[in-house]
Amino acid sequence: GAGVSQSPSNKVTEKGKDVELRCDPISGHTALYWYRQSLGQGLEFLIYFQGNSAPDKSGLPSDRFSAERTGGSVSTLTIQRTQQEDSAVYLCASRSSGRGNNEQFFGPGTRLTVL
Amino acid sequence: AQSVTQPDIHITVSEGASLELRCNYSYGATPYLFWYVQSPGQGLQLLLKYFSGDTLVQGIKGFEAEFKRSQSSFNLRKPSVHWSDAAEYFCAVGGTGGYNKLIFGAGTRLAVHP
Repeated sequence: GAGVSQSPSNKVTEKGKDVELRCDPISGHTALYWYRQSLGQGLEFLIYFQGNSAPDKSGLPSDRFSAERTGGSVSTLTIQRTQQEDSAVYLCASRSSGRGNNEQFFGPGTRLTVL
Repeated sequence: AQSVTQPDIHITVSEGASLELRCNYSYGATPYLFWYVQSPGQGLQLLLKYFSGDTLVQGIKGFEAEFKRSQSSFNLRKPSVHWSDAAEYFCAVGGTGGYNKLIFGAGTRLAVHP
């Protein structure tokens, strides 16, 4: 498809389990972002990938959160030892690296529920 | 510190009425400003953006926004609201250059009465 896709759309897990969330950006987009949308915190930046540069991890809330981007395309956000406060919608966005182009295109999100 | 304030958490308007959603930002450099809309169960859709030039920008679905540097504001407007505009609206600010991590406001939930 032409847009950003994310999987799964919904994930229910038990506290303490690990989860992996996947993002497929728009083909050719070199920048990829993860955000989290939760009731208490609104929309928060988590991590940013740009090409082969070291990712900006400044928004990750704890060391239980990590992300990687393989081959400059697909990205996986991993949450280890999930906690109930991790329950949120996790949004992925991608952006072209074209000059002056700062529009981010968002995927539909993964709704994570930690029981 | 960089921040975005949307003072109105909920707004209710009648169909056909005009709409203005407020957004104020704090940003140390020239801001790139965005309005996104999120319908229930949907992802974020870009309504419009401001980078430079004309301070009144037109977007999709009949929305427009005006950048006022002196007031650090970027308010969203629509002259006549449709029932399908009921959604949550987010204002966001990002930096220049290639980075552009977005900082979002808390959102304004719009309800439209028939």
